[in-house]
Amino acid sequence: GAGVSQSPRYKVAKRGQDVALRCDPISGHVSLFWYQQALGQGPEFLTYFQNEAQLDKSGLPSDRFFAERPEGSVSTLKIQRTQQEDSAVYLCASSLARPSGISHNEQFFGPGTRLTVL
Amino acid sequence: AQKVTQAQTEISVVEKEDVTLDCVYETRDTTYYLFWYKQPPSGELVFLIRRNSFDEQNEISGRYSWNFQKSTSSFNFTITASQVVDSAVYFCALPMDSNYQLIWGAGTKLIIKP
Repeated sequence: GAGVSQSPRYKVAKRGQDVALRCDPISGHVSLFWYQQALGQGPEFLTYFQNEAQLDKSGLPSDRFFAERPEGSVSTLKIQRTQQEDSAVYLCASSLARPSGISHNEQFFGPGTRLTVL
Repeated sequence: AQKVTQAQTEISVVEKEDVTLDCVYETRDTTYYLFWYKQPPSGELVFLIRRNSFDEQNEISGRYSWNFQKSTSSFNFTITASQVVDSAVYFCALPMDSNYQLIWGAGTKLIIKP
């Protein structure tokens, strides 16, 4: 596709339910990022993949959050036993190359998945 | 530590007015990039510009211009002759030490009234 796509766009979950959020990055993009954006705030980094390797998961708020990108393209963010504080927009972004000190490509964002936990 | 401050929470102007969005940053890096993104009501973050710290020349793209001043650690964004379609939340961002994590400002909500 032309851009980053995410599904579902909206998800309502009952507290304690598991959810899975999908991201389809731009074809050929090496880097993939997940962010969490609370209402009225900027995105907060969750995790970073370079191809299939998860190089940084320091932003994941708890061990209930898990992300994978098994074939280096599509990625899934899974949240187990959802809590109300997990309610947010989850953004996925991809970038053509891996960032380095001499270059930092722009990240292309998907529309996000708005998760509401009741 | 890296930090991005967008002190203006919300700005409201009438269409055709010029408006400047402020961004002040802190970084220990000597070489770095700065970004501006736009987030319209649809929610998708749209890339606007990337600047390298080596280049302090102002940049102009149509009605948009950016003023990068290393001496004051500022990277301000000006929209000339604003239009209703410019209404959005605008974010300034700076890569962390790791170079792949972006540190984001809190955003400035811009409202352009017809």
